[in-house]
Amino acid sequence: DIQMTQSPSSLSASVGDRVTITCRASQSISSYLNWYQQKAGKAPQLLIYSASNLQSGVPSRFSGSGSGTDFTLTISSLQPEDFATYYCQQSDSTPVTFGQGTKVEI
Amino acid sequence: QVQLQESGPGLVKPSETLSLTCTVSGGSISGYYWSWIRQPAGKGLEWIGRIFMSGSSDYNPALKSRVTLSVDTSKKHFSLKLNSVTAADTAVYYCARDVTAGTADHWGQGTLVTVSS
Repeated sequence: DIQMTQSPSSLSASVGDRVTITCRASQSISSYLNWYQQKAGKAPQLLIYSASNLQSGVPSRFSGSGSGTDFTLTISSLQPEDFATYYCQQSDSTPVTFGQGTKVEI
Repeated sequence: QVQLQESGPGLVKPSETLSLTCTVSGGSISGYYWSWIRQPAGKGLEWIGRIFMSGSSDYNPALKSRVTLSVDTSKKHFSLKLNSVTAADTAVYYCARDVTAGTADHWGQGTLVTVSS
């Protein structure tokens, strides 16, 4: 199985801050990397697919980059509705695997 | 707008079979993979498996011996069966549509299944 490791596990930030979350795969996954946002008590929502493509309807303050084993999710200016847990996920091979999550808190 | 809705018992006894169905509305069931993912309380996401409209499927090796996925295109629903459950299978279970294999762009709201006697 491909292991996905996110850092940090949690972070505290303020509205307007630039936030960066990293995700590392245990082997190369090309660009088969997705990012999801999950708010408390809700299902995850797709933010970024194929490492850098913004899902329809997702604000442009979210962006993704990387390829191979190292990836980044950036929120350019944190908004109140962005406080949530973020997961990376590889879709290169089965079993599909997720990072452990990064909780973004005030 | 595609919507997915999980349904099934919220309480299952240990050693019995967990059975869930996901009903798809507002879109076609054809041409996509359909996945199941679960999340124990306070923990991360675990992929269970996926099934294509043809019936071909992929499973998480950690669960493969206990999982069966099926799809009924005429009824626009797909199903999960997980047998020999234990307390470790207690989780919120999500169904999802994969816009491409492994990329879930639509999710159900999730359903909590508790394994307890």
